[in-house]
Amino acid sequence: DAGVIQSPRHEVTEMGQEVTLRCKPISGHNSLFWYRQTMMRGLELLIYFNNNVPIDDSGMPEDRFSAKMPNASFSTLKIQPSEPRDSAVYFCASRRSVRTYNSPLHFGNGTRLTVT
Amino acid sequence: GESVGLHLPTLSVQEGDNSIINCAYSNSASDYFIWYKQESGKGPQFIIDIRSNMDKRQGQRVTVLLNKTVKHLSLQIAATQPGDSAVYFCAVGNDMRFGAGTRLTVKP
Repeated sequence: DAGVIQSPRHEVTEMGQEVTLRCKPISGHNSLFWYRQTMMRGLELLIYFNNNVPIDDSGMPEDRFSAKMPNASFSTLKIQPSEPRDSAVYFCASRRSVRTYNSPLHFGNGTRLTVT
Repeated sequence: GESVGLHLPTLSVQEGDNSIINCAYSNSASDYFIWYKQESGKGPQFIIDIRSNMDKRQGQRVTVLLNKTVKHLSLQIAATQPGDSAVYFCAVGNDMRFGAGTRLTVKP
């Protein structure tokens, strides 16, 4: 079991640039979550998907943020244009979700984004 | 929406003592609760979960207690070890909203 794989591990970019974060969930998991973690705001849920369909994107801060899940094994979180206040650690997590049963979330090791 | 918060932001205990970390939640309809441990530079790691049809569940050195009447969740760690030093989060509900976290420091 390779776990949830996120890339890149670190990203440093200049304000105004487009940033794309990538996530490969655990095989067999059909739910995928994106979180953002900062000292000030803690671990915030941005969006989650069930069976590749976005269920709740109310945590996406602005139109500059977008997330896609084109298939069961890949998701992206894009920020365009990026701003310094977007600097944070972004986590992807996945789990198996069947009707009323949910397994625990498994997290990747995160992408540390720095926008200068 | 869900409001999830922790009572104590930091907790310092002596090695060998028991630790108790607390979490309050607001949505009485929540039916699934998880405790996570996060070490520096890593993603949160699953510790133990409990569903609303239970009020206690035990794992290896850990126990989770759920009090639905007062909407309170706690994590008890027995014989706390230096390796237990980390930030602990509770997550509530199917959409897994996280609390603020409690930093546990274990003194040798």
